[in-house]
Amino acid sequence: EAGVAQSPRYKIIEKRQSVAFWCNPISGHATLYWYQQILGQGPKLLIQFQNNGVVDDSQLPKDRFSAERLKGVDSTLKIQPAKLEDSAVYLCASSLSGGGGFSHNSPLHFGNGTRLTVT
Amino acid sequence: GQQLNQSPQSMFIQEGEDVSMNCTSSSIFNTWLWYKQEPGEGPVLLIALYKAGELTSNGRLTAQFGITRKDSFLNISASIPSDVGIYFCAGTMDSNYQLIWGAGTKLIIKP
Repeated sequence: EAGVAQSPRYKIIEKRQSVAFWCNPISGHATLYWYQQILGQGPKLLIQFQNNGVVDDSQLPKDRFSAERLKGVDSTLKIQPAKLEDSAVYLCASSLSGGGGFSHNSPLHFGNGTRLTVT
Repeated sequence: GQQLNQSPQSMFIQEGEDVSMNCTSSSIFNTWLWYKQEPGEGPVLLIALYKAGELTSNGRLTAQFGITRKDSFLNISASIPSDVGIYFCAGTMDSNYQLIWGAGTKLIIKP
C-alpha cells in the first residue's frame, strides 16, 4: 500500500511569513494527525482529525496555526505568521481507526515530514 | 512537558554488540511503544506492549513492559550497521490516552 504522502519536503521562510503543508494519508485511514518534531525531541501532537472532525487540538497554537481536513481525506496545516521557534519537522500520520494511534490493530503510520526553517 | 525519560541519550556501538536502552516515568503507563526513526523519515513502529511484564520480540529486537508499569526496555542483539537511527519510546497513561513521547536514543556505529 502507498504510504502517507507529504509535501513539500523542505521549506525555508522568513519570520512573519506564512507557510502551508499538505498531507495525503493512507487510503481508507479515518484518523489523521499532525505532529511537530523539534530537533533533538520526540514528536509532539498538534492536532488529530477523525474523518473531517477535530478530535484533539489542545496543543495547537491557535493564534498562528490552523489545520483542516476537508472531505475527510487530505489535510493542510498552515502557519501564519511564522516565528523562529516554529523551525521543526512537521510530520503527518494516519491510522485506520480512532484512538491515539497506539492500539495494536490501528497503529500510526508516519509520512517523511516537511522540514521547516524559519530565518 | 516531557513525562518520559529515555536513556541513554546516545550510544556508540561496535557492530555485533548487544544494545540496551530504557524509558522511565514517574507515572503509571498502560501502553508502551517503541519506534525507530532514520534521517529524513518518519518514525516506524517496532514493538507495541500492552500488559505489565509483557516481553515481545521482533527479529533481533526485544522489548519489555516493566512490572511496575513505569518503565520499558528495548534490547537489540548482535547490532548491524542498519540499526543506526533514533529509537523513541512512547506510551499512554491511565488518565490520558494521548500518546506521550520520549526524547529518543541515538544509536551510532563506531567506525
